[in-house]
Amino acid sequence: SQQGEEDPQALSIQEGENATMNCSYKTSINNLQWYRQNSGRGLVHLILIRSNEREKHSGRLRVTLDTSKKSSSLLITASRAADTASYFCATVLTGGGNKLTFGTGTQLKVEL
Amino acid sequence: EAGVAQSPRYKIIEKRQSVAFWCNPISGHATLYWYQQILGQGPKLLIQFQNNGVVDDSQLPKDRFSAERLKGVDSTLKIQPAKLEDSAVYLCASSPGQGLRDTEAFFGQGTRLTVV
Repeated sequence: SQQGEEDPQALSIQEGENATMNCSYKTSINNLQWYRQNSGRGLVHLILIRSNEREKHSGRLRVTLDTSKKSSSLLITASRAADTASYFCATVLTGGGNKLTFGTGTQLKVEL
Repeated sequence: EAGVAQSPRYKIIEKRQSVAFWCNPISGHATLYWYQQILGQGPKLLIQFQNNGVVDDSQLPKDRFSAERLKGVDSTLKIQPAKLEDSAVYLCASSPGQGLRDTEAFFGQGTRLTVV
């Protein structure tokens, strides 16, 4: 079963704009991770945020986590055409074993 | 560092036939995962190995799917007999022994299976 729901399902923006994707989950987590998937390829890890962290940055990526609302957001600033991909949040549950449970994903298209 | 290797990249079979996928994880990674990703959905865990033991296979359709990880390294996932709804990308991933509480999983390129 899916742990996370992502919003929006699809997002189309112009190069240079910022892209924001949201993820909601249902149960207590140890950490939340974001992955990118280019069409027909495997998943690439972007960033990991622990349950006791509220915000994390990596290059043009900014991730926030609100455990009281069971939600996270991924912000990509100054987007590029190469950012076109599907983005997934995945959770490692508290006491839920050593595995990732993925959300439904957001398809991002960055147009020139 | 070599990544997670999977083969084949693509496979087309007829329903009721059998198929096998192979995965070679990153050297030294104790945990290996097989995920199924149906088009337009997020990956769903099928089975998780810790070394050569099964940790979680609760979502593996055991009447038709089987997996093994001999010697705690390579792994194979088999489907027999295949159904149309098995059409998906099968992703293998691995992670270091200390688990995902402090690190990410590393994914292979996947095998795209089409059942006709």
